[in-house]
Amino acid sequence: EVQLVESGGGLVQPGGSLRLSCAASGFTFSSDWMNWVRQAPGKGLEWVANINQDGSETYYVDSVRGRFTISRDNAKNSLYLQMNSLRAEDTAVYYCARGLRWSDYWGQGTLVTLSS
Amino acid sequence: QSALTQPPSASGSPGQSVTISCTGTSSDVGGYNYVSWYQQHPGKAPKLIIYEVRKRPSGVPDRFSGSKSGNTASLTVSGVQAEDEADYYCSSYVGSYKYVFGTGTKVTVL
Repeated sequence: EVQLVESGGGLVQPGGSLRLSCAASGFTFSSDWMNWVRQAPGKGLEWVANINQDGSETYYVDSVRGRFTISRDNAKNSLYLQMNSLRAEDTAVYYCARGLRWSDYWGQGTLVTLSS
Repeated sequence: QSALTQPPSASGSPGQSVTISCTGTSSDVGGYNYVSWYQQHPGKAPKLIIYEVRKRPSGVPDRFSGSKSGNTASLTVSGVQAEDEADYYCSSYVGSYKYVFGTGTKVTVL
């Protein structure tokens, strides 16, 4: 059974940093593109970033480029999102999701809240 | 990249058909056959129900169907059931290994 379990969310001040993790199991993690997708409270889904199978290619939505870094450790079956210079508008549930042109498996999400 | 446009809401009585549109441009929906649809119940993670415009993952009921014409994709729920009440999001590949979601549609079963 494919499982994606996010962790690392929490309350952080504007300008702060946070690192999210996603533990993958039930599939060959190193064979798939992976994504981070977020959803602000009461709002729609927004694709944030993705990474190819060996981590050599990464892509970002314009609003986070230069502040967020997606990475992976295939030996640990883990996906990461390092978030720096956080802003109020980054408040959201962050989901990790598998796939390139569509996402067939999603985690349950981890909530990141910006508050001073 | 702007979000794809969906109607905020749609509704139907049990057994009726409900269709949701997803309008983009020639740079996204119209340019690729990589439109997907996701169902999201309150407090839950999104679930893939349609990919590559019209394909259904294993386990998704065949009352869900997808189509595309030009820059507009559509999701039809034929014979809507109470458990189909949820938010629905379309998504399209936009090239350069990126993709964009729609604004979302809340489906109410009357």
